[in-house]
Amino acid sequence: AQTVTQSQPEMSVQEAETVTLSCTYDTSESDYYLFWYKQPPSRQMILVIRQEAYKQQNATENRFSVNFQKAAKSFSLKISDSQLGDAAMYFCAYRSPTYNNNDMRFGAGTRLTVKP
Amino acid sequence: NAGVTQTPKFRILKIGQSMTLQCTQDMNHNYMYWYRQDPGMGLKLIYYSVGAGITDKGEVPNGYNVSRSTTEDFPLRLELAAPSQTSVYFCASSYTRRGSAEAFFGQGTRLTVV
Repeated sequence: AQTVTQSQPEMSVQEAETVTLSCTYDTSESDYYLFWYKQPPSRQMILVIRQEAYKQQNATENRFSVNFQKAAKSFSLKISDSQLGDAAMYFCAYRSPTYNNNDMRFGAGTRLTVKP
Repeated sequence: NAGVTQTPKFRILKIGQSMTLQCTQDMNHNYMYWYRQDPGMGLKLIYYSVGAGITDKGEVPNGYNVSRSTTEDFPLRLELAAPSQTSVYFCASSYTRRGSAEAFFGQGTRLTVV
């Protein structure tokens, strides 16, 4: 089964600075999908960004971008111009394209603190 | 647009009691999921459903049951609650089985079994 590893339980960043959250995964599949979800104190899981493995171009959503390194099985999230509202738990997730397996595998999460 | 609604938000159960966690979505999604989130861990899939009348086990189904009588509702039943079921439970839904499809989550239910 695929596994997702987030090696940074906690990270902190100064407001307006840039921070990168790490994620690695283990898979034997060549095509798959990767996601970053944000979980603020309200507990609501919110999609931040997603990447399809067959696309070489890194996904970008406003201040959020990813560095997708397929050979290294790495999927890091970069947050630019950090804001106080970015403080949350961030989860990396992997989804297989296999038709009968619709399970999204999550990492353990990284808690991001933003300092004013 | 309410999205995915879970009730209750908090609950304390005694060992051996039973309860149902409710989940409703108003997006007409066929696919619905139940996850649990333990401290320091990612979400783990308990059960999922691909449409009304069709459910299947996920990674950690023991101690739980589900049903899907309508597209909108996907309740999770805990029988004989145990301390190991203390967790935060999330219901989610998605429109399609395509791998890039976004899953929409409810706000979670924090359950404590004492």
